[in-house]
Amino acid sequence: AQKITQTQPGMFVQEKEAVTLDCTYDTSDQSYGLFWYKQPSSGEMIFLIYQGSYDEQNATEGRYSLNFQKARKSANLVISASQLGDSAMYFCAMRETSSGGSYIPTFGRGTSLIVHP
Amino acid sequence: DSGVTQTPKHLITATGQRVTLRCSPRSGDLSVYWYQQSLDQGLQFLIQYYNGEERAKGNILERFSAQQFPDLHSELNLSSLELGDSALYFCASSYTGVTEAFFGQGTRLTVV
Repeated sequence: AQKITQTQPGMFVQEKEAVTLDCTYDTSDQSYGLFWYKQPSSGEMIFLIYQGSYDEQNATEGRYSLNFQKARKSANLVISASQLGDSAMYFCAMRETSSGGSYIPTFGRGTSLIVHP
Repeated sequence: DSGVTQTPKHLITATGQRVTLRCSPRSGDLSVYWYQQSLDQGLQFLIQYYNGEERAKGNILERFSAQQFPDLHSELNLSSLELGDSALYFCASSYTGVTEAFFGQGTRLTVV
């Protein structure tokens, strides 16, 4: 079963506007972590933001914020004041516990974001 | 720059061959992950090492193997290569594995 679901294969936003990228997750762990990564066309994976399941405040990093709704099992990424350089694939990931007790980040299929001038 | 170094950046090889991908984690990071990214399968977890020991295995083929050395660098060995093994292979490292993992730039493998 898919643990991370990103339902938006592609999103478009006007420069300087805000955009929300959706992510829902499925886990029975009480302790887990959620991440967002950005992958520009050059291919590298860039860590953006992390939210722990016990963190009461939504995580923020500059123009990125994570809208964490635990009861709904959603961890949406909000990008404020979009820039042309934000055009990229965005991946939501969840740290889940393997059978051996190790923590493994599992990734969704990604959302392609295009920022229009 | 994430601090994770992967070599080589690009690799083109023929079917049936064997290649080795190398990863140097961020200074101080004990945990190394290997992922394969292909268009149809997305980002797939292959294997994790922590301080030299294998900790978790994902969708890693028997033709693939990995190890982590005492200096914490890691190598992923891919043998009897097939066309379908063409993909972007990422290494990521994390201090504990609890919070974020930082990715290298990836090795793009093309099997012809």
